[in-house]
Amino acid sequence: GAVVSQHPSWVICKSGTSVKIECRSLDFQATTMFWYRQFPKQSLMLMATSNEGSKATYEQGVEKDKFLINHASLTLSTLTVTSAHPEDSSFYICSARNPAGGEKLFFGSGTQLSVL
Amino acid sequence: SQQGEEDPQALSIQEGENATMNCSYKTSINNLQWYRQNSGRGLVHLILIRSNEREKHSGRLRVTLDTSKKSSSLLITASRAADTASYFCATPTQGGSEKLVFGKGTKLTVNP
Repeated sequence: GAVVSQHPSWVICKSGTSVKIECRSLDFQATTMFWYRQFPKQSLMLMATSNEGSKATYEQGVEKDKFLINHASLTLSTLTVTSAHPEDSSFYICSARNPAGGEKLFFGSGTQLSVL
Repeated sequence: SQQGEEDPQALSIQEGENATMNCSYKTSINNLQWYRQNSGRGLVHLILIRSNEREKHSGRLRVTLDTSKKSSSLLITASRAADTASYFCATPTQGGSEKLVFGKGTKLTVNP
């Protein structure tokens, strides 16, 4: 199967600091990765599409300067929450599609961000 | 707006019973997928059904798709306590788009 690894699993930070979340595809190359955000007991909201070697595509209403996405290689995408504030506290999940695996997405285990 | 809307929002059953969850969507799709999420974890793909399919089985899972009603259902038979999780349907944002939009999910609790 395809494995997507996401780190860290949880992070607590002070307001105003930046936090980086990594998403790696361990056994396949992912030209595209997706970043989602999930509030407690709610659905996943697509934030952006991360494209290897090019700029990310952000969904409407998502601040690209706030949520920096870098997809520097075919196996790694990073999401940096800049100048985090308490309202950024959420569960962030990345996903990727294995080109050999059809349309289904493989998800990381998520990162719980708590901003104090 | 949400593409997929599941109902019920929450479902509590006893072990051994069947659980049925429904999903409605709004636009044309070429496939619909169901995912499972354990609390505080990522999602796991369960099953994909294409627009030209009406029913699909995988183990204890049975998925139906009615494109005329823009709805799908997920049936879990002979449920187990380990099936306790949230279940989401997901559809491409536009036809064959790579991006998936998820519904609000059904929280299933299977009591031993």
